[in-house]
Amino acid sequence: AQKVTQAQTEISVVEKEDVTLDCVYETRDTTYYLFWYKQPPSGELVFLIRRNSFDEQNEISGRYSWNFQKSTSSFNFTITASQVVDSAVYFCALIPRGGFKTIFGAGTRLFVKA
Amino acid sequence: GAVVSQHPSWVICKSGTSVKIECRSLDFQATTMFWYRQFPKQSLMLMATSNEGSKATYEQGVEKDKFLINHASLTLSTLTVTSAHPEDSSFYICSARARTSGSYEQYFGPGTRLTVT
Repeated sequence: AQKVTQAQTEISVVEKEDVTLDCVYETRDTTYYLFWYKQPPSGELVFLIRRNSFDEQNEISGRYSWNFQKSTSSFNFTITASQVVDSAVYFCALIPRGGFKTIFGAGTRLFVKA
Repeated sequence: GAVVSQHPSWVICKSGTSVKIECRSLDFQATTMFWYRQFPKQSLMLMATSNEGSKATYEQGVEKDKFLINHASLTLSTLTVTSAHPEDSSFYICSARARTSGSYEQYFGPGTRLTVT
């Protein structure tokens, strides 16, 4: 089965706190791609990162960082020093190799309070 | 970067009428386009996949006659909601995959909010 699980439905933090959004995926394929998207209230999906299954290096981009661990099938996303503008729904997604479809997680709604 | 546009961004129509939503890839050729539907506080649900010049492939449970998809060119796909009813009110998002996209990455449009009264 191909599946993406985002167990956290909603997270609420206070500005400047660090927050980690969890993502666990399932696939039988050895080659696949993982993504994170941000969906602000406007609705437009914003691409954050793509990672292929052969690249387990963690990545940092400004206040954003991603921890990819194949051993636990997880691809977690951490926002450091969160800001109000980070408030949005975040989706983790999987595309298996040769797969046509993007498999989305249910999303995690993040509220950052001032 | 690759840009996908959707038109209109929002539309209100009366029950029983049809609505057409356009999805365009502005700076690349899209061999495959996808149509998603998103209800409030839910994830994206894939409705159908269309390849240029061929019939769309619909997901299970999606009515083909209700949601007509046409992928007439490498830069344009349209979704027509026929005889719309209030339950068709939703946020519709298209995405496009570039002809040369080895990583299968999709580029998403900004979405169209449909309200049927």
